[in-house]
Amino acid sequence: ILNVEQSPQSLHVQEGDSTNFTCSFPSSNFYALHWYRWETAKSPEALFVMTLNGDEKKKGRISATLNTKEGYSYLYIKGSQPEDSATYLCASAGAGSYQLTFGKGTKLSVIP
Amino acid sequence: SAVISQKPSRDICQRGTSLTIQCQVDSQVTMMFWYRQQPGQSLTLIATANQGSEATYESGFVIDKFPISRPNLTFSTLTVSNMSPEDSSIYLCSVTHGTARANYGYTFGSGTRLTVV
Repeated sequence: ILNVEQSPQSLHVQEGDSTNFTCSFPSSNFYALHWYRWETAKSPEALFVMTLNGDEKKKGRISATLNTKEGYSYLYIKGSQPEDSATYLCASAGAGSYQLTFGKGTKLSVIP
Repeated sequence: SAVISQKPSRDICQRGTSLTIQCQVDSQVTMMFWYRQQPGQSLTLIATANQGSEATYESGFVIDKFPISRPNLTFSTLTVSNMSPEDSSIYLCSVTHGTARANYGYTFGSGTRLTVV
C-alpha cells in the first residue's frame, strides 16, 4: 500500500446502529496514525493519535484500533447518533516527518 | 490546545485574480501548515510556513502560485495567485502542539472554501 486508503467512501446508518470504518496505510516507516472528525464548515476535530501496534483508544462511544504490522486501523462508533454525522479522516505520519498523509475520508450519515 | 481563526470562510473569485487567506493562532506555535482539499480528493499538504524563513513547499506546489508569509509565531497567510477553476478547493491551515514529531495532535482552522469562476 503506497497511499492511505479509507473504506467505505460513504455510508448511511440508522440511529442506534453501530458501525465501523477502515483505514489502510503504508506499514513501512510508520510513525503515527491520526483520526479526525470533520463536519462541514467546521475545523477537523482530532479524535485519536496512535503509535504502537495493538493500540486501542476510546472516547465516549468512539473507539479505534491499530495494526502497524499489516497497516490498518479501524474506527468504531457504538450506537450512532445524528450528531455523529460527519466525514471521518485518517492520516498517517512517517518516522522523522511532520507531514500527514490523509485518506479521502468516510462520510457517515446517521438517519434519525 | 491552540485555537485558530481562519478568514475568509468562503469566497467566489474570478479567474486570473488572487486571494489571500489568513490564519491567526491564539498562542505561539513553531510550525504552521497549509493544506488543500480538491473536490473528491484527500487533504494534501501545500507547504510548511516557518517563522523568519521561506516556506517549505511540497512536490507539485510552487512559491509563485502559493506565496506564504509568516511574519510572527501566531500568524500566517497563503495567497492563491492567478486563479483558475482548478484551484477551487477547501484550504486549511494547521498547527501542531509539539515538536516536529507527528505523534502529537494537530489543530486545524475551519477552512476557506474557494470557488473560481
